[in-house]
Amino acid sequence: GIQVEQSPPDLILQEGANSTLRCNFSDSVNNLQWFHQNPWGQLINLFYIPSGTKQNGRLSATTVATERYSLLYISSSQTTDSGVYFCAVNTNDYKLSFGAGTTVTVRA
Amino acid sequence: DSGVTQTPKHLITATGQRVTLRCSPRSGDLSVYWYQQSLDQGLQFLIQYYNGEERAKGNILERFSAQQFPDLHSELNLSSLELGDSALYFCASSVFSSGANVLTFGAGSRLTVL
Repeated sequence: GIQVEQSPPDLILQEGANSTLRCNFSDSVNNLQWFHQNPWGQLINLFYIPSGTKQNGRLSATTVATERYSLLYISSSQTTDSGVYFCAVNTNDYKLSFGAGTTVTVRA
Repeated sequence: DSGVTQTPKHLITATGQRVTLRCSPRSGDLSVYWYQQSLDQGLQFLIQYYNGEERAKGNILERFSAQQFPDLHSELNLSSLELGDSALYFCASSVFSSGANVLTFGAGSRLTVL
């Protein structure tokens, strides 16, 4: 099946800092989603982005499908951005395959 | 609120017992997916239903079963529970069954087996 690798595994930020999270995948995809899992365990949809660039407030994402990677940018980080960020993809099958996640800790 | 409703939110039970987790998809979504998140395995796909029919199976144990009912809600049944079944169980729903298809997740059911 498709392999999804996320980096870095852990990230510690000072409030107000910017950061970039990366997701590499091993095959062409029909779907790529970024999720934020908050400290209470909820998985929140951030972006559906199989290609191109999208922005939502302080978050933006870019997927370069031809090179099989996606980037999630967090600007002016806040303590509420803490949690685990997951990239998930699917090809022609039914399920989303998840990466191992990047754990982000934003310190005040 | 994502629109995907899961009950119960928390469940504590003993080894050997059986539990049922319930999921109501977002209005208009025909596909339901079940995922298991444990500390050592990450987010693992269990099973998918589309409009009442099983569409795909992942790493689902034989002790686990699921179904999707005519009103499109789904239940995941876990039996002969073991300590290792303690995990967060997520349900997700989507409009389509495959391809370019956005999945929306519920808040999860946290199962603790003692």
